[in-house]
Amino acid sequence: KNQVEQSPQSLIILEGKNCTLQCNYTVSPFSNLRWYKQDTGRGPVSLTIMTFSENTKSNGRYTATLDADTKQSSLHITASQLSDSASYICVVSEGGSYIPTFGRGTSLIVHP
Amino acid sequence: NAGVTQTPKFQVLKTGQSMTLQCAQDMNHEYMSWYRQDPGMGLRLIHYSVGAGITDQGEVPNGYNVSRSTTEDFPLRLLSAAPSQTSVYFCASSRDRGDYTFGSGTRLTVV
Repeated sequence: KNQVEQSPQSLIILEGKNCTLQCNYTVSPFSNLRWYKQDTGRGPVSLTIMTFSENTKSNGRYTATLDADTKQSSLHITASQLSDSASYICVVSEGGSYIPTFGRGTSLIVHP
Repeated sequence: NAGVTQTPKFQVLKTGQSMTLQCAQDMNHEYMSWYRQDPGMGLRLIHYSVGAGITDQGEVPNGYNVSRSTTEDFPLRLLSAAPSQTSVYFCASSRDRGDYTFGSGTRLTVV
């Protein structure tokens, strides 16, 4: 069964600090991996999408990495802001399937 | 460009009642899907559609029906609401199996 595991489950950091969120998956064959940000009470919003051939992709202060060999991805947030407080969800799609596998998310709280 | 629009935003139903959650997108996306999100769990796929007239089941389809008569609209019907269907429902669309655009969600409570 395809699985996506995210760690940590929750994280508290001070404003201005950096942090890294992890995503490990067992989905095979791999098609793409996406990171979403979900603010409380809102729908998820896309941050990055990576295919097999891409190992780094940035979106402003967000940088995602992908190691398809070890089936691991990370999302690095630089110089965190209060508005970064949200849940970050890793989603992995299997080649040929319309049913993606969602991680349970990492809840990030940024304190002033 | 409104993206994905879901209505209503909030709904309270009594057990056994039926209702339809509406979802509309204006991006001409072929792929549309419905998810439910429960505390401590990842989003779970209920039903999806790869184009007008084509629908298929996701991971948790029981108790839900869908139809896709147009590219723009993908309503989700609860036939006989149960307390286990209390959840937040999200509709999403994409051009293919790529990046999804999500709606803002419908918070449903079944009492």
